[in-house]
Amino acid sequence: GENVEQHPSTLSVQEGDSAVIKCTYSDSASNYFPWYKQELGKGPQLIIDIRSNVGEKKDQRIAVTLNKTAKHFSLHITETQPEDSAVYFCAASRTNAGKSTFGDGTTLTVKP
Amino acid sequence: DAGVTQSPTHLIKTRGQQVTLRCSPKSGHDTVSWYQQALGQGPQFIFQYYEEEERQRGNFPDRFSGHQFPNYSSELNVNALLLGDSALYLCASSPRSSGNTIYFGEGSWLTVV
Repeated sequence: GENVEQHPSTLSVQEGDSAVIKCTYSDSASNYFPWYKQELGKGPQLIIDIRSNVGEKKDQRIAVTLNKTAKHFSLHITETQPEDSAVYFCAASRTNAGKSTFGDGTTLTVKP
Repeated sequence: DAGVTQSPTHLIKTRGQQVTLRCSPKSGHDTVSWYQQALGQGPQFIFQYYEEEERQRGNFPDRFSGHQFPNYSSELNVNALLLGDSALYLCASSPRSSGNTIYFGEGSWLTVV
């Protein structure tokens, strides 16, 4: 089955700096890669996603890149703000497969 | 437009007991998935329901069962609770047509003592 590894497990940055979180996946048939943000005591919130027919996608301060050959994808957050502090999860799945496989999360702390 | 709603938000059960968790999907969504999230880990897929049938199942024992109703809402049942079942149980919904974009509820925190 699919295996998703996420690094780093914790990341601390100064406000205004950039943050990068990386994930690798094992199933070459996976074609959908979402990122979720989970704040304390809440459920994961979808923040951005990318499909395998696209190499990069951007939404304001957030961008995701995908390298299908190397089977890895990354989340980039620019101009970080204290409210970006949360746990971020990557996931991988096949279209209509039902099951999403998640990484173990990255705890991002943005220091004011 | 209400998102995915789950109940109860918190509950405490004793080993060996049974628990039922409930989920109402986001408006317009017909597919419901359940995930278990242990502390410090990512969500783990339990199963998915569509058209009132279990369509796919993760690596969870038969003690975990579910149901989907005609209005697309769903229940997760866990029998013979173990201490290790303590976790956040997340419901996620999606429209079948969207492929695999799923939206999570806030979860139900289950503590087994």
